[in-house]
Amino acid sequence: DAGVTQSPTHLIKTRGQQVTLRCSPISGHKSVSWYQQVLGQGPQFIFQYYEKEERGRGNFPDRFSARQFPNYSSELNVNALLLGDSALYLCASSFLGLGMGSYEQYFGPGTRLTVT
Amino acid sequence: DAKTTQPPSMDCAEGRAANLPCNHSTISGNEYVYWYRQIHSQGPQYIIHGLKNNETNEMASLIITEDRKSSTLILPHATLRDTAVYYCIVREPPGTASKLTFGTGTRLQVTL
Repeated sequence: DAGVTQSPTHLIKTRGQQVTLRCSPISGHKSVSWYQQVLGQGPQFIFQYYEKEERGRGNFPDRFSARQFPNYSSELNVNALLLGDSALYLCASSFLGLGMGSYEQYFGPGTRLTVT
Repeated sequence: DAKTTQPPSMDCAEGRAANLPCNHSTISGNEYVYWYRQIHSQGPQYIIHGLKNNETNEMASLIITEDRKSSTLILPHATLRDTAVYYCIVREPPGTASKLTFGTGTRLQVTL
């Protein structure tokens, strides 16, 4: 079975631009979470979606948004890019959503975003 | 979220057991201890989790102290492929947001 897939693998954008990152969860998983990992730090939680609804949000500005589609894939959008948005963006899928047990999350390989 | 404290780095000889400690002195009674690892340039990989009993799977063993204020992840026979950053995470209780809150982890270097 395929694991979590993310696209693109790498991306270079200019300050002020907008970017869309994509994630496909493991087959059968209905929950997708997004994390940002700045170089040298651990991943930081951005969003979790379950059954197409936002079920959790981290401490990120409104420039960050996401959505989940009927097939449970997800997109993360970042507007008005800043240099500080340069990071590895990770998607994780799980069988259940927030507050629904202790099911582990499975991570994709990430999208490396560089903002110049 | 309960905070965790881990040493920034550790070394281990190949074939020996790697024992990675984690302090979580403010853990709540129903919070779980999770371990993930991240090999360079890859997404984090789930290893093991536990509540209060010791746990073992094909990858590792997790030893949680009786007072639950600390735990140790044991890789019984470390190989070069175990070189990674290991994260100890305390998950929020069921019924609330259960996102993963990562710290900076322990960088384990396995050497010949």
